Amino acid sequence: ILNVEQSPQSLHVQEGDSTNFTCSFPSSNFYALHWYRWETAKSPEALFVMTLNGDEKKKGRISATLNTKEGYSYLYIKGSQPEDSATYLCAFVNTGFQKLVFGTGTRLLVSP
Amino acid sequence: SQTIHQWPATLVQPVGSPLSLECTVEGTSNPNLYWYRQAAGRGLQLLFYSVGIGQISSEVPQNLSASRPQDRQFILSSKKLLLSDSGFYLCAWNSGLMNTEAFFGQGTRLTVV
Repeated sequence: ILNVEQSPQSLHVQEGDSTNFTCSFPSSNFYALHWYRWETAKSPEALFVMTLNGDEKKKGRISATLNTKEGYSYLYIKGSQPEDSATYLCAFVNTGFQKLVFGTGTRLLVSP
Repeated sequence: SQTIHQWPATLVQPVGSPLSLECTVEGTSNPNLYWYRQAAGRGLQLLFYSVGIGQISSEVPQNLSASRPQDRQFILSSKKLLLSDSGFYLCAWNSGLMNTEAFFGQGTRLTVV
């Protein structure tokens, strides 16, 4: 059973704060790591797909880093806004299996 | 462009009744297809995935089954629902290249009473 853990489980910040979450995954047989944002009453939407150790990706105020050797990825949000409130999910893909295994998620609430 | 349809959006079923949730994808061929259930404190739990017609992999022993009768159709079924089957179910697809993003349906809220 693949174990993909995310921390913290939930987070409440004020508008303008910067924040980050962690996704931990098995360091062996790594193939890809996905990040998704899931807003209430909507479907999850992809933020990033990362495949290379040391990779960094950025989309607006959101960025992510990847360390495949130690099995973790960080998601950063700079200057959080209320519209960033959502559950952030990472998903792990290992070699040889065509399946996405999701983590436990981090629920972010940004107060104005 | 590719789209994914999942229905129904909500469903209330009595214990012991059958279940059929359907998911179809348009605009692509030979997608990987997935059924997930939102689990409290556990994010999205993978239930089944399929890499081709008739090919189903089950991740969690349970009261549910899945079938893929056509390339872009994925069905989640049960012969007799249990109260514990209540939850939010999501269908998703991606290409066979696992370094590409997945796309999700709108979800089905199932309540077993």
